[in-house]
Amino acid sequence: TQLLEQSPQFLSIQEGENLTVYCNSSSVFSSLQWYRQEPGEGPVLLVTVVTGGEVKKLKRLTFQFGDARKDSSLHITAAQPGDTGLYLCAGGTNAGKSTFGDGTTLTVKP
Amino acid sequence: DAGITQSPRHKVTETGTPVTLRCHQTENHRYMYWYRQDPGHGLRLIHYSYGVKDTDKGEVSDGYSVSRSKTEDFLLTLESATSSQTSVYFCAINDVGNTIYFGEGSWLTVV
Repeated sequence: TQLLEQSPQFLSIQEGENLTVYCNSSSVFSSLQWYRQEPGEGPVLLVTVVTGGEVKKLKRLTFQFGDARKDSSLHITAAQPGDTGLYLCAGGTNAGKSTFGDGTTLTVKP
Repeated sequence: DAGITQSPRHKVTETGTPVTLRCHQTENHRYMYWYRQDPGHGLRLIHYSYGVKDTDKGEVSDGYSVSRSKTEDFLLTLESATSSQTSVYFCAINDVGNTIYFGEGSWLTVV
């Protein structure tokens, strides 16, 4: 069974601060996704990374895939209240199934 | 927008009654999934399908069955609902690059 561990589980910060969320596994994944979920809605895809060492930027969000394709990080610069939500990572395999982390609940206070 | 529609979006049912949740997709994706999401457990795979009439169990399949008679529809059935099946249920599809896209969810309460 492939497991993905996310940390921290909860994060509460002030507007303007920076933060990093981690997603770690002992397994190798063919791809890794990050999602953001708001209350009452389904997870929405933020990014997919597929190459070891890959870095992708989405405005104030920076995503990195580890060189060995076992881990990933999400860094948010100058967090805003609109960034509040549940952030989920998921590791994909070529068998068509994904493993999800338990998520990081982020609260950004104005 | 991955073209996924779930119905019903909200349902309250009594213990012991059968319940069917429907997932409809419009983009001819081969893989479809049913997940449940619960506090402290994250997203857990119930069943998935890799084609018409081809389904397999996920990690929490007990008490659930699925059917896929058409590419566009994936049905999740609780034969006899229990309170432990109170949850949010998400249908999903698998697109290019093994990326999962989710529907908006079905909130089920079993009383």
